[in-house]
Amino acid sequence: KAGVTQTPRYLIKTRGQQVTLSCSPISGHRSVSWYQQTPGQGLQFLFEYFSETQRNKGNFPGRFSGRQFSNSRSEMNVSTLELGDSALYLCASSSWDEQYFGPGTRLTVT
Amino acid sequence: KQEVTQIPAALSVPEGENLVLNCSFTDSAIYNLQWFRQDPGKGLTSLLLIQSSQREQTSGRLNASLDKSSGRSTLYIAASQPGDSATYLCAGAHHTSQGGSEKLVFGKGTKLTVNP
Repeated sequence: KAGVTQTPRYLIKTRGQQVTLSCSPISGHRSVSWYQQTPGQGLQFLFEYFSETQRNKGNFPGRFSGRQFSNSRSEMNVSTLELGDSALYLCASSSWDEQYFGPGTRLTVT
Repeated sequence: KQEVTQIPAALSVPEGENLVLNCSFTDSAIYNLQWFRQDPGKGLTSLLLIQSSQREQTSGRLNASLDKSSGRSTLYIAASQPGDSATYLCAGAHHTSQGGSEKLVFGKGTKLTVNP
């Protein structure tokens, strides 16, 4: 079974731009969660989608948004990028209790 | 608000040593706890999942325990090897108000170095 895939793996953007990251879950998994990892804050929950609906959202500004498609693939979008958005963005899929993580997208904002 | 703490933040041991990583959490209402491994610049690899009704799980040289009443979990690594060098993260899972959804609250991790 293929694991969770994320594209792109690396991204460099400038302040003020927007970015879209993609996540393909493990086949059969309907829940996709997104996390941001930074050296200072560690791993923080962004949001979770299940059957195309956002079920839960973390404490991030509205510049961070996401969506899920009917095939369970998910995208997250960050608008008006700030330097502090530089981070490793991880998505995870789950079918029940255990979450499986992708390799992440490393976003650098200059 | 759930807080997860991992001690120590870093650990360096010689190859072959048995070791214990500690994780404590403030909210005992977790319904499971997961231990992950993260190699530099990579994603997370799930090591062990302990349901709230369980007390421990084992996989190979790894054994994880959970004590909800005291808010603690430990990850025991037997006969450590240089390939075990990585950051180990624990995370407590919570159901949210939407029901059925969950989010993981992570500790900051323990960076383990096993020296040959």
